[in-house]
Formats: sequence, structure tokens, C-alpha cells
Amino acid sequence: DTEVTQTPKHLVMGMTNKKSLKCEQHMGHRAMYWYKQKAKKPPELMFVYSYEKLSINESVPSRFSPECPNSSLLNLHLHALQPEDSALYLCASSPRQKRQGEFYGYTFGSGTRLTVV
Amino acid sequence: AQKITQTQPGMFVQEKEAVTLDCTYDTSDPSYGLFWYKQPSSGEMIFLIYQGSYDQQNATEGRYSLNFQKARKSANLVISASQLGDSAMYFCAMREGYTGNQFYFGTGTSLTVIP
Repeated sequence: DTEVTQTPKHLVMGMTNKKSLKCEQHMGHRAMYWYKQKAKKPPELMFVYSYEKLSINESVPSRFSPECPNSSLLNLHLHALQPEDSALYLCASSPRQKRQGEFYGYTFGSGTRLTVV
Repeated sequence: AQKITQTQPGMFVQEKEAVTLDCTYDTSDPSYGLFWYKQPSSGEMIFLIYQGSYDQQNATEGRYSLNFQKARKSANLVISASQLGDSAMYFCAMREGYTGNQFYFGTGTSLTVIP
């Protein structure tokens, strides 16, 4: 079982809908991430929440908005999406780097497959 | 310049054979970490193996080993005794520097294991 839980696993939404993706982790990680991934491509970073500070990839359109209610939960609110936004959305978390030269990988959730119709 | 380069878009291997997936990286920071992830068609990114830039030995995890050649800036993944369940996309990735906040991914290699 993955330790990063994403819901829902599949979502079909119309272009006028508002929906939210949810991501939860209970590993005490203080950094959480949203990625967008198209088929056969690497994940593209959308947002980073690290120690309550949000970093945004400026190429991400405003129809995507993240929310971090607490350090274990990261939501992605979707509004007025376009068909090209159909993709796999991955959430990930990572622990704090304790010292130089020591790196931790990301723990990924199983993703939400989003289809915009 | 690309931080991570994977030059093999697709690879085929016979079941029970070994296969090497190539990865080269670009960084001027002496401190970095290299990772390999597996992504089956279900979508989840599964961590396979990690190599730190200061590690003296090549990393191994079960059937996975990392052929780390620091001078050549390469970090190839070797999968021994391939199984049908190894068919997936494989991504090489890197974190660098003191904060290591950004995770750089390669373009991935699609591996197909043939029975």
C-alpha cells in the first residue's frame, strides 16, 4: 500500500465543473508536491508546499489552485478545465533533508486519472 | 542543458535476461542524489534505488543495481533476471545541492519484457 493516498483514482469532469483532488500523507513529511503527467512523458511539477510555503510553476494556468489545510493534506482545486488538462495527476511528499549530501526520494501516490470532456 | 538524459525511448528484453537502462546527468554541484523509479501502466511511481554522489559503492536492491560512473556522469540501472512484471516506464531522476528541493526527471525508458 502506498503511504501517500490520492482520491479519487479516476475523475471525469465537464469543462464547466468544479472539482477537487485530494492527497494525504501521514509520514510527517513537510514537503508535498503536485505533478501533471501526460502518457509516456515525465511528470511536470505544478506546485510545491514546503514548510507552509507555496511555490508555483508559473506555467501552470490559474484554473488549477492548490490548498494545504494542514501539513498532512494537500488539495488541488480544478475549475473550468480544458480537454488538454486531461492527464494523470500525481501527488508526492518527501522528508526534510537532514544534512548536506543526504537526499531523499519522493514518495508518490497512485495518482488521479483526470479526463476533461 | 538537460539535467537528466535517457537516450533509450524503448527497450526490449527476453524474460530471465539482464537489461541495462542508460542515464546520464549534468550538474556542477558535488553533492547530489540519483534515483530510479518504475511506473507501471497503473500509474504509480515506485522507488527502486538510490545512489548518493559521495557513496563509494554502487547501490544494489535485490535484482536492481546501479552502475555509477561518477567521472562519466552516468548512473545506469541494471535489472537482472527480468520478469514479465518488469514491463513498465523507468525514470531516472536527480536532486542536487544543499536544499535539493527540485527533482529533475529524465524522459523515461519504456521496457518491455518478452516471454
